[in-house]
Amino acid sequence: DGGITQSPKYLFRKEGQNVTLSCEQNLNHDAMYWYRQDPGQGLRLIYYSQIVNDFQKGDIAEGYSVSREKKESFPLTVTSAQKNPTAFYLCASRDSALHNSPLHFGNGTRLTVT
Amino acid sequence: KQEVTQIPAALSVPEGENLVLNCSFTDSAIYNLQWFRQDPGKGLTSLLLIQSSQREQTSGRLNASLDKSSGRSTLYIAASQPGDSATYLCAVSPTTSGTYKYIFGTGTRLKVLA
Repeated sequence: DGGITQSPKYLFRKEGQNVTLSCEQNLNHDAMYWYRQDPGQGLRLIYYSQIVNDFQKGDIAEGYSVSREKKESFPLTVTSAQKNPTAFYLCASRDSALHNSPLHFGNGTRLTVT
Repeated sequence: KQEVTQIPAALSVPEGENLVLNCSFTDSAIYNLQWFRQDPGKGLTSLLLIQSSQREQTSGRLNASLDKSSGRSTLYIAASQPGDSATYLCAVSPTTSGTYKYIFGTGTRLKVLA
């Protein structure tokens, strides 16, 4: 079955450490997205990528970095510069060739930094 | 700047009731509007996508309507069941962004009582 796999499901880190969240999709989608979800707030866009080797900052990119070396993979690194990294992180993708294709999501990674 | 609002934030109804969830957006220049369901600790599941040229979409017991001129969408759930309990989010894709970025509401948390 096609889908988006995020790993790990739970991640614990000490303050000051960088951490990388994995996102892999086998839907053959060009566009991929990273969102952050905090209680009581809507999803906020961190980074997005529309093709391999290209990505753009979203609304809250500070303290995060991404790469897009392969079509199916879009890892997110949460750096020590991110002031409030504890959150639920969601990866999504869509078929950018279709004007109105839906957004598909993975099951998320819950990151806790202490 | 596009803003998306969902009211109420939480709703409890008895099983079997028909219900309506509301989504409001401030700018009618959108490609489409999408409704999602999110179970606790999980990612988002796409329910319905309404293109800007459409008035409604239906899937099983779900019916979503779109009135761009008034900046409103409703998600109608017929004959609600306990399994419908979840958070429902709407998101719009503004044409002004130039790319398919989505702006999310904060969701309505629905509990259907057996």
